[in-house]
Amino acid sequence: NAGVMQNPRHLVRRRGQEARLRCSPMKGHSHVYWYRQLPEEGLKFMVYLQKENIIDESGMPKERFSAEFPKEGPSILRIQQVVRGDSAAYFCASSPLTKTGSDTQYFGPGTRLTVL
Amino acid sequence: GQQLNQSPQSMFIQEGEDVSMNCTSSSIFNTWLWYKQDPGEGPVLLIALYKAGELTSNGRLTAQFGITRKDSFLNISASIPSDVGIYFCAGLNNDMRFGAGTRLTVKP
Repeated sequence: NAGVMQNPRHLVRRRGQEARLRCSPMKGHSHVYWYRQLPEEGLKFMVYLQKENIIDESGMPKERFSAEFPKEGPSILRIQQVVRGDSAAYFCASSPLTKTGSDTQYFGPGTRLTVL
Repeated sequence: GQQLNQSPQSMFIQEGEDVSMNCTSSSIFNTWLWYKQDPGEGPVLLIALYKAGELTSNGRLTAQFGITRKDSFLNISASIPSDVGIYFCAGLNNDMRFGAGTRLTVKP
C-alpha cells in the first residue's frame, strides 16, 4: 500500500517563474492537506481540500498561491511568479476522514522548492 | 489562533538515557499526535492519542493525552542513535497545528 507521494522532490525556479507541486494521497484517502516548512521551524497549515472542493484555505496567501484536487489525478499546489521568500519545503498529507470530522494525517516526503 | 508550545527546543543526550518532551496549548484539542522527522524527509506518525487521559505506547515510545486536553507528553526510553531527529507534537480539531519541534541528538 503506497504512502503519500509527492513530486518533484526538489524543484528549482528563478524569480517570476511558476512552481507546480503534485501530491497523490494514500489509497482510500480523499482528503489532502498542504503545509509549508521553513528551515528550523514547524509545519504551517496552508490549505485543506477534498475532491473538487477547497474546504479551508485560511493558511494560504491570497495572491500567487492556488490549490486544486481534481476528480481525477493528483492534488496540485501552484505558486505563480515565485519570489525568494517562497523557498521552503512543502509537504502534503492525506487522511481518510472519519465520521467525527477529522482524522490522523499521513505525510508525503515533501517538495523542496528553491527560488534563485 | 491555536498555538502549541513545545519544549525543550533541543536535547543532547547519551545513548541509553530516557527522553521526555511535552507540548502545551491554551486551546483544547480532540486529538494529539506525535511525529518524527528525519532530515530531508516528511514527518512520520509515531503515536496518535484520541482520548483525554489516554496513555499509549509504541515500542520504546510512550505518549499521554493530558486530562485537560490542553497538553501531551512523549517519552522515549533507552535512547539509541537512530532516535536522532526532530519530534513534533500536533493538535488536531478540524485542522492541525504543530509545535515548533524538539531536536534530539543522541551521542553514542
